[in-house]
Amino acid sequence: AQKITQTQPGMFVQEKEAVTLDCTYDTSDQSYGLFWYKQPSSGEMIFLIYQGSYDEQNATEGRYSLNFQKARKSANLVISASQLGDSAMYFCAIRSNFGNEKLTFGTGTRLTIIP
Amino acid sequence: GAGVSQSPRYKVTKRGQDVALRCDPISGHVSLYWYRQALGQGPEFLTYFNYEAQQDKSGLPNDRFSAERPEGSISTLTIQRTEQRDSAMYRCASSLEGGAYYNEQFFGPGTRLTVL
Repeated sequence: AQKITQTQPGMFVQEKEAVTLDCTYDTSDQSYGLFWYKQPSSGEMIFLIYQGSYDEQNATEGRYSLNFQKARKSANLVISASQLGDSAMYFCAIRSNFGNEKLTFGTGTRLTIIP
Repeated sequence: GAGVSQSPRYKVTKRGQDVALRCDPISGHVSLYWYRQALGQGPEFLTYFNYEAQQDKSGLPNDRFSAERPEGSISTLTIQRTEQRDSAMYRCASSLEGGAYYNEQFFGPGTRLTVL
C-alpha cells in the first residue's frame, strides 16, 4: 500500500517570497513516481511537476522545484517568487511504476498568498 | 486540443435513484481513471481502464458502483440506488499510455453529485 502525508493543512505566505509545501510518502515499491497537482478555487486539477524515484536530479519546472530526499521519503514542493495566482490547494501524489497505475493523493495543503 | 470532458457538471438526485456519469477522455489516450473527491480531501481512486479493459476496480466502494468503457474511449460510471454518502465530486482522468514511467494524468472538471 502507498500513503502520502501532507502535514500542513494551510499556509499563508507573503507575495514574492518562496514557499515550501511538505510531502512525505510511504511505499514498498522500488520504482515509483511522485506528482504535485494544483487545485485552484475553480476546481480543476493542474499537473505541476513529476519526480521519478530513480531520477538523480531534483525536478524543476519554471518556478516549481521538487526537493526530493529519497532516504527520508520526502518530496517537498518549492515555489519560488510566489504570486497571487499561486493561491490554491496543492496535492502531492504517488504512483507505482509497475502494476497498478492509480495515483494515491494526500489530503492537500491550502496555500494563500498575501499581497 | 480538447481536454477531458465530463457530463453532467452537476447532478442532484434523490436517494435511491440511479445516476450515470460520463467521461470523454483526450483523444488517443489509452488509460482512463475514475476518482472521487470529498470536500477538503484529495481524490481517491475508484477504478481504471486500459483501452476497454477494466484493469482495477478495487477502489469501488461497493457493488452499487460500476464502470464501463465499451469501445475504449468514453466511459460511464454508474451508481445504483444512490445514498447521501455518495455525494462528492467525481473526477475522470486520462493518460497516453499506462505503465510508462512518466505518465501524467490529465483530469476533467468533475461531476458534482449531490444526493438528497
